[in-house]
Amino acid sequence: AQSVAQPEDQVNVAEGNPLTVKCTYSVSGNPYLFWYVQYPNRGLQFLLKYITGDNLVKGSYGFEAEFNKSQTSFHLKKPSALVSDSALYFCAVNYGNMLTFGGGTRLMVKP
Amino acid sequence: DSGVTQTPKHLITATGQRVTLRCSPRSGDLSVYWYQQSLDQGLQFLIQYYNGEERAKGNILERFSAQQFPDLHSELNLSSLELGDSALYFCASSGLAGGGNIQYFGAGTRLSVL
Repeated sequence: AQSVAQPEDQVNVAEGNPLTVKCTYSVSGNPYLFWYVQYPNRGLQFLLKYITGDNLVKGSYGFEAEFNKSQTSFHLKKPSALVSDSALYFCAVNYGNMLTFGGGTRLMVKP
Repeated sequence: DSGVTQTPKHLITATGQRVTLRCSPRSGDLSVYWYQQSLDQGLQFLIQYYNGEERAKGNILERFSAQQFPDLHSELNLSSLELGDSALYFCASSGLAGGGNIQYFGAGTRLSVL
């Protein structure tokens, strides 16, 4: 069975500083990995995905993620955080057509 | 705007009742997925339909059922509702059924069972 872990319930960062939101996964075979963001009273918005190829994936709004097969990790990163990045972030693995999500990490960017 | 439309946005009902949640996928998308988001269970996959046929099933209760119609819209039926069914229900769609395809989510239906 596949699983995703987001070890931090909340990440606090100052505006302009780099941010990292951690994700580790467990899945048989090659993983299809995703990051989604959820703003209050909104649905999930797709940020980026890793299927195969380059371990550094670039996505929307300046976000990127680094796939590390040996550490089974897929951490989300951004070089310079914005207050508007404050939201709930979900890592997910797609296996058998279903997305299995981590518990989510709330990102708080303070001015 | 993802292009996935869910109605209604909010639904308040009583225990024991039955409700129907509706989802219109993005234009041209053949695959529809239903997810439940609750405080205690997090985001959980319920069921997937592809071009009218059930394709995958997750942690969906027997009291819940879904279908996808010829025009590709989908409905999730929840019956004999319990307090614990209160949650945000999301629909997502993708063009194809493969694991690498992006799922685009609607804004959700917030169900409150009183």
